[in-house]
Amino acid sequence: AQSVAQPEDQVNVAEGNPLTVKCTYSVSGNPYLFWYVQYPNRGLQFLLKYITGDNLVKGSYGFEAEFNKSQTSFHLKKPSALVSDSALYFCAVRAAAGGGADGLTFGKGTHLIIQP
Amino acid sequence: NAGVTQTPKFQVLKTGQSMTLQCAQDMNHEYMSWYRQDPGMGLRLIHYSVGAGITDQGEVPNGYNVSRSTTEDFPLRLLSAAPSQTSVYFCASSLSQGNNYGYTFGSGTRLTVV
Repeated sequence: AQSVAQPEDQVNVAEGNPLTVKCTYSVSGNPYLFWYVQYPNRGLQFLLKYITGDNLVKGSYGFEAEFNKSQTSFHLKKPSALVSDSALYFCAVRAAAGGGADGLTFGKGTHLIIQP
Repeated sequence: NAGVTQTPKFQVLKTGQSMTLQCAQDMNHEYMSWYRQDPGMGLRLIHYSVGAGITDQGEVPNGYNVSRSTTEDFPLRLLSAAPSQTSVYFCASSLSQGNNYGYTFGSGTRLTVV
């Protein structure tokens, strides 16, 4: 079975500082990895994905994520945080091969709080 | 292009009542799914469908039924609501089960069972 761990319930960062939201995964074979963001009372919005190729993936709103196969990690990063980045962030994984009836498996989410 | 549309946005039910949460997409997506979101639990898959006429159970299917008579619609039915079903429900769709495009989510239905 595939799984995702987001070890931090909350991450606090000062505006202008770099931010990292951690994600590790477990899946059979190669992974497809995703980050989504959820603003209050809204649905999840796609940020970025890793499918294959370059381990550093760039996405929306200046976010990027680094795929590390040996550490089975896919941490979300941004060089300079904005107050408007404050939201709930979800990491998700699925197996690349065979589609899989399980679809996307999500982590429990990390609250990112950017302090002015 | 409306994407994924969920109705209603809010609902309060009494224990034992039944209701249907509606989900419709206009992107000709084959794959549709229902998740529930609870604090500290992330999103958990309830049911999913890989195409019209085909549905299957996810991680937490008990107490919920689904059907998929058309590509566009994937309603979720609560047969006899229980307080444990108080949650936020999200419908999501994808081009196909095996693609790498990720999901498009609806804006959610906040359900309270009293």
